[in-house]
Amino acid sequence: DTEVTQTPKHLVMGMTNKKSLKCEQHMGHRAMYWYKQKAKKPPELMFVYSYEKLSINESVPSRFSPECPNSSLLNLHLHALQPEDSALYLCASSQDLLGDFPYEQYFGPGTRLTVT
Amino acid sequence: GQNIDQPTEMTATEGAIVQINCTYQTSGFNGLFWYQQHAGEAPTFLSYNVLDGLEEKGRFSSFLSRSKGYSYLLLKELQMKDSASYLCAVLTGTASKLTFGTGTRLQVTL
Repeated sequence: DTEVTQTPKHLVMGMTNKKSLKCEQHMGHRAMYWYKQKAKKPPELMFVYSYEKLSINESVPSRFSPECPNSSLLNLHLHALQPEDSALYLCASSQDLLGDFPYEQYFGPGTRLTVT
Repeated sequence: GQNIDQPTEMTATEGAIVQINCTYQTSGFNGLFWYQQHAGEAPTFLSYNVLDGLEEKGRFSSFLSRSKGYSYLLLKELQMKDSASYLCAVLTGTASKLTFGTGTRLQVTL
């Protein structure tokens, strides 16, 4: 099983709403990632978790709050978003953080978020 | 900072060979990945280079020159399904920071 699943596929939310994106993998990977991708742009790294601990936060605004409740799950909690936060949010996982050996990152299908 | 450049768009004919270039200026280089992304879908892994030279995987090959900050992806025997965006991504640091290039949109025509 080399699948990363994400729910929901699509999400429309108002600027005052609170919602969560979910990501799950059952490959035994210990590193998980959130990326944001705007239309016709490359993915941009937001957060990296390793062994359920946050290891990279790319200066993401606090209205995005990641959570890694266990090694298989990664959540992204959303609150008071702006219309410019509308994008495709991609989750990825890899066997471990890259050190001496580059592990392949597997991407999920993404959640397309629209903030109104 | 990181600077990773690719041509924006390329067009090639079915059955032909196409080379997509990527130049980068980064700190703490740990390797370079190539990903394919079809419109509306997630990126999928194509290849990885950490040492200089050519890596071949079927119809796809990738080359790296670390001294020149340069890589290319070579696609042979092009098929219509190869029409997609191709993303060069550089790995830096020990915490798996992957920075993607601007991406190259490839159109394969008959």
